[in-house]
Amino acid sequence: GQQLNQSPQSMFIQEGEDVSMNCTSSSIFNTWLWYKQDPGEGPVLLIALYKAGELTSNGRLTAQFGITRKDSFLNISASIPSDVGIYFCAGQLTGNTGKLIFGQGTTLQVKP
Amino acid sequence: ETGVTQTPRHLVMGMTNKKSLKCEQHLGHNAMYWYKQSAKKPLELMFVYNFKEQTENNSVPSRFSPECPNSSHLFLHLHTLQPEDSALYLCASSQVTGTGKKLFFGSGTQLSVL
Repeated sequence: GQQLNQSPQSMFIQEGEDVSMNCTSSSIFNTWLWYKQDPGEGPVLLIALYKAGELTSNGRLTAQFGITRKDSFLNISASIPSDVGIYFCAGQLTGNTGKLIFGQGTTLQVKP
Repeated sequence: ETGVTQTPRHLVMGMTNKKSLKCEQHLGHNAMYWYKQSAKKPLELMFVYNFKEQTENNSVPSRFSPECPNSSHLFLHLHTLQPEDSALYLCASSQVTGTGKKLFFGSGTQLSVL
């Protein structure tokens, strides 16, 4: 079945450092979504991408829709303690089903 | 506040109990979803409703019974659950579109089955 490989699984960084994570697949997607989930809460949508090559920012977060349409990247610049959480990518498959596939998540910990 | 409200936030139940989870969305969406999130596992899609009609059931055991009376409300009825059903249950909503679908999630119900 369709699968998204999200990496890294976890990161432990120093406050102020930049962070990069990515999702890859063998399937082609027409939408990429990036979510953040705080402990005990539901995922919150951070960025939505709709076109191959698209680069979109939301504050210190920047995400890109890969030109092959099989991958996406999320960067966080100058991390702060409240960036702690789990980050999920989700890709919407092309075709009529429009099924949304989620990555396994990247757990980010930030050391003050 | 994402516009999707789930109740209760926490639920502890025995294996012989019957309980229901409730979800309400105030976003004007016409698709609603139930997801299960277990520790160290990806989000698992359980059910999808488009315009109140169930369009997807991902081989979910019959001890989970969804109900969607209208586009704004979604329920998950639980009975004779097993301890391995303990997880965070997330409701989400979106527009029913072929592309550009964005899911908005509620805060979830943390379920513990004893």
